[in-house]
Amino acid sequence: GAVVSQHPSRVICKSGTSVKIECRSLDFQATTMFWYRQFPKQSLMLMATSNEGSKATYEQGVEKDKFLINHASLTLSTLTVTSAHPEDSSFYICSALGYNEQFFGPGTRLTVL
Amino acid sequence: AQTVTQSQPEMSVQEAETVTLSCTYDTSESDYYLFWYKQPPSRQMILVIRQEAYKQQNATENRFSVNFQKAAKSFSLKISDSQLGDAAMYFCAYRSGGNQFYFGTGTSLTVIP
Repeated sequence: GAVVSQHPSRVICKSGTSVKIECRSLDFQATTMFWYRQFPKQSLMLMATSNEGSKATYEQGVEKDKFLINHASLTLSTLTVTSAHPEDSSFYICSALGYNEQFFGPGTRLTVL
Repeated sequence: AQTVTQSQPEMSVQEAETVTLSCTYDTSESDYYLFWYKQPPSRQMILVIRQEAYKQQNATENRFSVNFQKAAKSFSLKISDSQLGDAAMYFCAYRSGGNQFYFGTGTSLTVIP
């Protein structure tokens, strides 16, 4: 099956710093990737839809300047959390659209101190 | 906007028994996809089963099957011969014709040995 990798799996950073999370589709090309945020024991909350070669589409309430998304190639999308604060601590999941379904990365646990 | 409702926050089943997880959705579209995803403690989202709305036949994947009632907008998941490894969060998801995905709030399944 299609594989999506996500790096890093876990990151701890200081408040005010920026963190970049990479999402790669390893064996297929994905023109569309999604970024989700998940709080403990809750569902996935869609943050943005990333389309290769164009600007990401953000969901209502998600700060574009804080969560920068770049989809520079058909196999790579990145999410940069800028000037991270403790309230940004969460589990971030990416997925890639292929074969009419989503393939999910393993997630990134972000902890902001 | 489309909504997906999972009315059972928690369910439990005896090992080897059968359990059904419910899901309803609201849409005005005629062409869409429905999915059940499993999220074990590792938090990796795993596709369990998918159903195309235009197909009348219910999808089946080994011990997993769905009861798709298009008119009633219902999409339940039946797990037969439950195993300890089936314990996880289960999310019902809807994919619109425009590649937008909507997730339910999840059902936590416990398998009792």
